Amino acid sequence: ILNVEQSPQSLHVQEGDSTNFTCSFPSSNFYALHWYRWETAKSPEALFVMTLNGDEKKKGRISATLNTKEGYSYLYIKGSQPEDSATYLCAFDTDKLIFGTGTRLQVFP
Amino acid sequence: NAGVTQTPKFQVLKTGQSMTLQCAQDMNHEYMSWYRQDPGMGLRLIHYSVGAGITDQGEVPNGYNVSRSTTEDFPLRLLSAAPSQTSVYFCASSYLGGRDTGELFFGEGSRLTVL
Repeated sequence: ILNVEQSPQSLHVQEGDSTNFTCSFPSSNFYALHWYRWETAKSPEALFVMTLNGDEKKKGRISATLNTKEGYSYLYIKGSQPEDSATYLCAFDTDKLIFGTGTRLQVFP
Repeated sequence: NAGVTQTPKFQVLKTGQSMTLQCAQDMNHEYMSWYRQDPGMGLRLIHYSVGAGITDQGEVPNGYNVSRSTTEDFPLRLLSAAPSQTSVYFCASSYLGGRDTGELFFGEGSRLTVL
């Protein structure tokens, strides 16, 4: 069973702080690494799909990097806002998508 | 723009009853999957399918059956419900771009309680 680990489990930051979380995955033998944003009482929504070592993606204040050789991906949020409060999930794509348990972010005004 | 539609949204069952959670997508996606969400466990993959007539097991398949007779539909069947199957179930679909799976589109979830 593949084990996708995310850290930290939860994070509380002040509005305006920048933050980052980690997704660690077990091998370099995979097709892609996904990041999703999951707001309470809603369904997860895709942020990024990353396929290449050194791949970097950016969407507004959120960006992600991928290091396939060492088996991790970072998600960065610059200048956190209360509306960024959500659980951030990564998923490891072999022939199926296996999710980590997520990082729950709360941004206080 | 229907996307991924799940029914029912809520269901209460008694132990031993059977039921089917329906999932339909109108995006012509090859890949469809079912996840369950439990507190502290994130999303765990139950079953998935890469096309009509093809299904495979995920991380937690026991007690569930699936079939994929059409591209659009991927129902999840609980054969004999148990309290351990109380959960929120999400159906998700995506295109298959060569080897990698595209971004998943999720349904709104189905909350199941087994008494």
